Amino acid sequence: EAGVAQSPRYKIIEKRQSVAFWCNPISGHATLYWYQQILGQGPKLLIQFQNNGVVDDSQLPKDRFSAERLKGVDSTLKIQPAKLEDSAVYLCASSFLLYPEQYFGPGTRLTVT
Amino acid sequence: GENVEQHPSTLSVQEGDSAVIKCTYSDSASNYFPWYKQELGKRPQLIIDIRSNVGEKKDQRIAVTLNKTAKHFSLHITETQPEDSAVYFCAATGTDSWGKLQFGAGTQVVVTP
Repeated sequence: EAGVAQSPRYKIIEKRQSVAFWCNPISGHATLYWYQQILGQGPKLLIQFQNNGVVDDSQLPKDRFSAERLKGVDSTLKIQPAKLEDSAVYLCASSFLLYPEQYFGPGTRLTVT
Repeated sequence: GENVEQHPSTLSVQEGDSAVIKCTYSDSASNYFPWYKQELGKRPQLIIDIRSNVGEKKDQRIAVTLNKTAKHFSLHITETQPEDSAVYFCAATGTDSWGKLQFGAGTQVVVTP
């Protein structure tokens, strides 16, 4: 069974530039999550989608972060403009609808210089 | 919202000994408690989970216990092996915030041969 796919795996940008991350969830998983994991900390939920609708984006810094999940499958997370404190690993996870078990992708390590 | 505290932050054990990691949560409505293992540079991997209607769950060398009254849950690893070395995260969520996992800060486990 294929797992959650993410790309790119690594990205280095300068502050004030923009960046986008892509996620393809496990087939059949209606719920998709984006997490931010700062070095030495646990993942923090940024946004949760159910199919193509947003369930929770209360911790998403909406002045610079945006996310979409067109057609209820793949998702993209964008940061514009990036700040130094956005340096982190961005993890995508997915789960079956109404099931709590979440499965993570390999993440994208973002470095903002 | 939910707050999860995890102890210890680092744990060094001799191969073959047992390891115990403890987490406390604040929201009495939380009813799902997963544990993730994250090796360096890898994705968080779901290793075991427990729901609030169960007090204990085992899977080979790992077990999780839950005390709803005290609002704490623990991960037990027996007969530790070098491949158990990783960062372990506990998390909690409830049905009113289904999917919004609140993670602990993580425990770095080092198993020395």
